[in-house]
Amino acid sequence: GQQVMQIPQYQHVQEGEDFTTYCNSSTTLSNIQWYKQRPGGHPVFLIQLVKSGEVKKQKRLTFQFGEAKKNSSLHITATQTTDVGTYFCAGLWSSYKLIFGSGTRLLVRP
Amino acid sequence: NAGVTQTPKFQVLKTGQSMTLQCAQDMNHNSMYWYRQDPGMGLRLIYYSASEGTTDKGEVPNGYNVSRLNKREFSLRLESAAPSQTSVYFCASRGGGQLPGGYTFGSGTRLTVV
Repeated sequence: GQQVMQIPQYQHVQEGEDFTTYCNSSTTLSNIQWYKQRPGGHPVFLIQLVKSGEVKKQKRLTFQFGEAKKNSSLHITATQTTDVGTYFCAGLWSSYKLIFGSGTRLLVRP
Repeated sequence: NAGVTQTPKFQVLKTGQSMTLQCAQDMNHNSMYWYRQDPGMGLRLIYYSASEGTTDKGEVPNGYNVSRLNKREFSLRLESAAPSQTSVYFCASRGGGQLPGGYTFGSGTRLTVV
């Protein structure tokens, strides 16, 4: 079936350190989306990647989509306490069915 | 503010009881979705509606039914609640067009079945 694997499950960093989470699919994706969920909150859309090899940046966040459109990564440079939360990738195969990875929970020590 | 509204925010049910979770969006989005999230896990798709008048099963549809009442509203019904359905339920919607964007989520319904 359609599955998205995400690692690591947890990451505990010192404020100022970098953070990366990885996402993999066994089949080619139409596109991939990234979401952030704060503790007790709901997922909030961050970005969508559509093209093979695409790289997008949002301030300290860098998103990449693999050449084969089967993997993706989110890299945060110089983490801040406001970055705390769970980051989810979500793969889209058809136009309507978004399947989420299990998420990476980021904890930041001040 | 524009967005996705879910009711109720919290609910406790006894095993075997039924209930309907309500969801409404005011962004004129075509597609709507129901997800469940269990502690420490990702979101799993229960049902979705690509457009008004259509519904389809997601990853975990058993024990649930849905109704796309109109373009704005998409409800989720538990006919006979079970403890395994204790979860946080999120409704989401997404616009259409040539390159639809991300999903907008509601704030969730925290359901406990005892």
